[in-house]
Amino acid sequence: DAGVIQSPRHEVTEMGQEVTLRCKPISGHNSLFWYRQTMMRGLELLIYFNNNVPIDDSGMPEDRFSAKMPNASFSTLKIQPSEPRDSAVYFCASGSAGNEKLFFGSGTQLSVL
Amino acid sequence: SQQGEEDPQALSIQEGENATMNCSYKTSINNLQWYRQNSGRGLVHLILIRSNEREKHSGRLRVTLDTSKKSSSLLITASRAADTASYFCATPRGAGNMLTFGGGTRLMVKP
Repeated sequence: DAGVIQSPRHEVTEMGQEVTLRCKPISGHNSLFWYRQTMMRGLELLIYFNNNVPIDDSGMPEDRFSAKMPNASFSTLKIQPSEPRDSAVYFCASGSAGNEKLFFGSGTQLSVL
Repeated sequence: SQQGEEDPQALSIQEGENATMNCSYKTSINNLQWYRQNSGRGLVHLILIRSNEREKHSGRLRVTLDTSKKSSSLLITASRAADTASYFCATPRGAGNMLTFGGGTRLMVKP
């Protein structure tokens, strides 16, 4: 199994631009999570999907952030418009029912100039 | 706010020494997990301990859980330079397998 796959690995953009981060969870996993990691705030849970349905999006910072999971093998996290304070590493993680352990992707390093 | 808080924030030791990291949490839990993150990489699950367990071993890792004190410790014995990484505790939160992560301990093992 290839594990959780995220793209792009690095993204540099200018303030005001739209950014789309992509994630392919491990096949057969039914839970998907988006986390954001910064030095100041550590690892923050942004949104949790179960069976492609958003269950908890209380961590999404504001309306500029949106996430979708159109099917079991793909999710996107979109920031529009992006701001410099959105600069962080964004991780996608997946898990399966009955197993508490999460599997993380390698992350997308986002820099908003 | 974070559920788990690790202590110390940073730890530097020599190869061969033992490394101990602590995690405190605030609410009742039914399990606690430890993860490792190498620089520039995603987190990797190390070990899970359930609330009815006091101690668990996996190779050179030993995890303890004290539910009365709401604390856990991760001990890495006979450390190696390759153990250099950040270590995070994680506790369940809300529905499904949602997790809240602590701030992490940055471990440096000098060869």
